[in-house]
Amino acid sequence: AQKVTQAQTEISVVEKEDVTLDCVYETRDTTYYLFWYKQPPSGELVFLIRRNSFDEQNEISGRYSWNFQKSTSSFNFTITASQVVDSAVYFCALSEALSGYSTLTFGKGTMLLVSP
Amino acid sequence: SQTIHQWPATLVQPVGSPLSLECTVEGTSNPNLYWYRQAAGRGLQLLFYSVGIGQISSEVPQNLSASRPQDRQFILSSKKLLLSDSGFYLCAWSPGANVLTFGAGSRLTVL
Repeated sequence: AQKVTQAQTEISVVEKEDVTLDCVYETRDTTYYLFWYKQPPSGELVFLIRRNSFDEQNEISGRYSWNFQKSTSSFNFTITASQVVDSAVYFCALSEALSGYSTLTFGKGTMLLVSP
Repeated sequence: SQTIHQWPATLVQPVGSPLSLECTVEGTSNPNLYWYRQAAGRGLQLLFYSVGIGQISSEVPQNLSASRPQDRQFILSSKKLLLSDSGFYLCAWSPGANVLTFGAGSRLTVL
């Protein structure tokens, strides 16, 4: 069975601090996808990134960066120079890659609070 | 471009009453459709998914059911709501095995 663990329930930082959100996953599949979604207070989930299991290159998008390490089954998310607008719940998720649909297994989320 | 609509946005229902949440997708055909529930502000749980009209797969047995009467319409129903059905319900779609795009959600409170 697939499992995603986000051990950090809540993180509080002050604006401009860097913050890393941890994600550890378990799967028996050799091919799979990893995701990060952001849920602002409005409730809608916003897609941030998808990574397949064969692509271990780290990715940077503006202030966001992701570190995928297959050896430790981790897919961590770093926000550089955090801003108040980054305050949200962040979800890491995992899905099989072989089926014709995407049933994501989500972690329980990490609530990030960025204060001015 | 594709858009997904969910309604109602909020709902307050008494225990034992019926439920109907609706989700429609525009700008695509034959999407995969999903219903997720988020209880107590955290943790997204997949309830149902559908890969075509009339095709419903249930992930968790419970007091809810889903139907897909049209290609881009997905409905979540209950005949008699329980207190434990309270939560935030999210509809999503994907073009096959790909990124899920979520709707704005429906917040259900059962009293």
